[in-house]
Amino acid sequence: DVKVTQSSRYLVKRTGEKVFLECVQDMDHENMFWYRQDPGLGLRLIYFSYDVKMKEKGDIPEGYSVSREKKERFSLILESASTNQTSMYLCASSRGGGEGNTEAFFGQGTRLTVV
Amino acid sequence: SQQGEEDPQALSIQEGENATMNCSYKTSINNLQWYRQNSGRGLVHLILIRSNEREKHSGRLRVTLDTSKKSSSLLITASRAADTASYFCATVLNSGYSTLTFGKGTMLLVSP
Repeated sequence: DVKVTQSSRYLVKRTGEKVFLECVQDMDHENMFWYRQDPGLGLRLIYFSYDVKMKEKGDIPEGYSVSREKKERFSLILESASTNQTSMYLCASSRGGGEGNTEAFFGQGTRLTVV
Repeated sequence: SQQGEEDPQALSIQEGENATMNCSYKTSINNLQWYRQNSGRGLVHLILIRSNEREKHSGRLRVTLDTSKKSSSLLITASRAADTASYFCATVLNSGYSTLTFGKGTMLLVSP
């Protein structure tokens, strides 16, 4: 059974803290993604990675960075957390290349509250 | 940028009825996918339809794609209370990376 695992379901952090959200997939997928989901706004892409050490900005990268040192792990970093980063964060992975290989598998989500 | 937009935003039906959700998008796509999300959880892939396909079935799900109108519909037949969830369409563009761009979703409530 394929799996994308996010390190925490719920997280509460203080304003200004550095926050790490971890995501691990066991499917040997090339592509990994971080989205945030907010009521009324749907899912918005923050960053994605199509290979180890490679990263591309999504639609809303400001205030975030990412790290992909190993194929199975993709980390989202909030350098200095702010209250407007309170959100549900969703990690996903998919196989790279070729038509039809774009079905994404999602983790269970991390609900982050910044106080 | 938001590529897909679902319609309606919310839908309330009785068990046994059919539920239809629509999705419109703006630019040329490689494929369109539908996902389901139970409250507070991650998304689960339901079905993928490629740009050269017009209709696809999977169990009680039927998806259509009209590339001339840039729209898709998801039909759930004989709905059950367990179908209560949010449903999202997502598009993969023809150019660039295989990123998924999601709409805002349709919240479906199926009452027993």
